[in-house]
Amino acid sequence: DAGVTQSPTHLIKTRGQQVTLRCSPKSGHDTVSWYQQALGQGPQFIFQYYEEEERQRGNFPDRFSGHQFPNYSSELNVNALLLGDSALYLCASSSPGQVPITYGYTFGSGTRLTVV
Amino acid sequence: DQQVKQNSPSLSVQEGRISILNCDYTNSMFDYFLWYKKYPAEGPTFLISISSIKDKNEDGRFTVFLNKSAKHLSLHIVPSQPGDSAVYFCAASDGNKLTFGGGTRVLVKP
Repeated sequence: DAGVTQSPTHLIKTRGQQVTLRCSPKSGHDTVSWYQQALGQGPQFIFQYYEEEERQRGNFPDRFSGHQFPNYSSELNVNALLLGDSALYLCASSSPGQVPITYGYTFGSGTRLTVV
Repeated sequence: DQQVKQNSPSLSVQEGRISILNCDYTNSMFDYFLWYKKYPAEGPTFLISISSIKDKNEDGRFTVFLNKSAKHLSLHIVPSQPGDSAVYFCAASDGNKLTFGGGTRVLVKP
């Protein structure tokens, strides 16, 4: 049973560049959420996608944008990278019909982004 | 403004003894609380959750207690095993998103 798959696993970018991170949800899940985890901190909610629409957004600037495709996979795009964007980016999938809170969202292993 | 706080960054416990992890929150609108375990280079793994209308939920070695009046929850792990050594996050839900605490690193000594 394939869980949540994220790519790439590691990435190094230069300040000012743009980056795209990818996520394939767990089979049977149709909702994708993105989180940023800075070193030594807990994950912070960026946004959630459902039915190809952004359903809810956290306190992140417009430089962070996303997309969900018809097959439920998702991309996270970050423009004009700052040093402070260096973090582990986690994707989590869920399904409304599964009562996700009871069983918890399924997280991928993340993409480690380093901005130099 | 941290709505979910884990005030103990680390915890060391002897194998076989009880591990108690604590979490405080400020938002009364949270409807579910969850605990996740995270190993290095892996994503968080769901452990156990509790509804805001309950005060206790148990699953094997893991028990979560919720004190709504104090806005406090705790996770008890009994007995602790070396494989439990990881970072533990509490998280709270208020709809579609989870708000996480900063984590507690647990070390279980053999």
